[in-house]
Amino acid sequence: GNSVTQMEGPVTLSEEAFLTINCTYTATGYPSLFWYVQYPGEGLQLLLKATKADDKGSNKGFEATYRKETTSFHLEKGSVQVSDSAVYFCALNPPTGNQFYFGTGTSLTVIP
Amino acid sequence: DTAVSQTPKYLVTQMGNDKSIKCEQNLGHDTMYWYKQDSKKFLKIMFSYNNKELIINETVPNRFSPKSPDKAHLNLHINSLELGDSAVYFCASSQEGYSKGAFFGQGTRLTVV
Repeated sequence: GNSVTQMEGPVTLSEEAFLTINCTYTATGYPSLFWYVQYPGEGLQLLLKATKADDKGSNKGFEATYRKETTSFHLEKGSVQVSDSAVYFCALNPPTGNQFYFGTGTSLTVIP
Repeated sequence: DTAVSQTPKYLVTQMGNDKSIKCEQNLGHDTMYWYKQDSKKFLKIMFSYNNKELIINETVPNRFSPKSPDKAHLNLHINSLELGDSAVYFCASSQEGYSKGAFFGQGTRLTVV
């Protein structure tokens, strides 16, 4: 079956610290992989995506690389800001069908 | 120009009532979804619907029913509301085979008292 496993939070970092949020997946074939961000009181916004192995998605200083060999799509940012405080969701879309499978979300708080 | 819009944003109602949440997308997508987000931020898919089929998460009580008057709308009807239905409900849409991800509405916070 299809599933996504994310590291549990909450995660608390100081401003300018390095961020990693781990995400691994189980899927048949080659799914598309996504990271979504949810700011307080808002809906989910697409942060970045990758559609095939070794692709790197990037946006707003965040990056994630599609690793087929380790079935992972870890989210990284070199220097976090207070404004990055949010909940981050890893998700996959299988190659057939139009379903999205989400991880449980990781809450990030960045303190000044 | 909101891509996926849902109304109302907040809904407070008494147990036993029937309520609806509306959702509209102007992206021309062929698939729409309803998700429930609980207090721990866990997202649970409730329904996905396109013009071919409705896929229902078997754990969703039959008090919940989606209604799609056309391709751009997918409303959520809830009968006999219970306290445990309190949550944030998100509508989303996507285009099959497009790999651009799903686009979400801003959410409806439902509180059952």
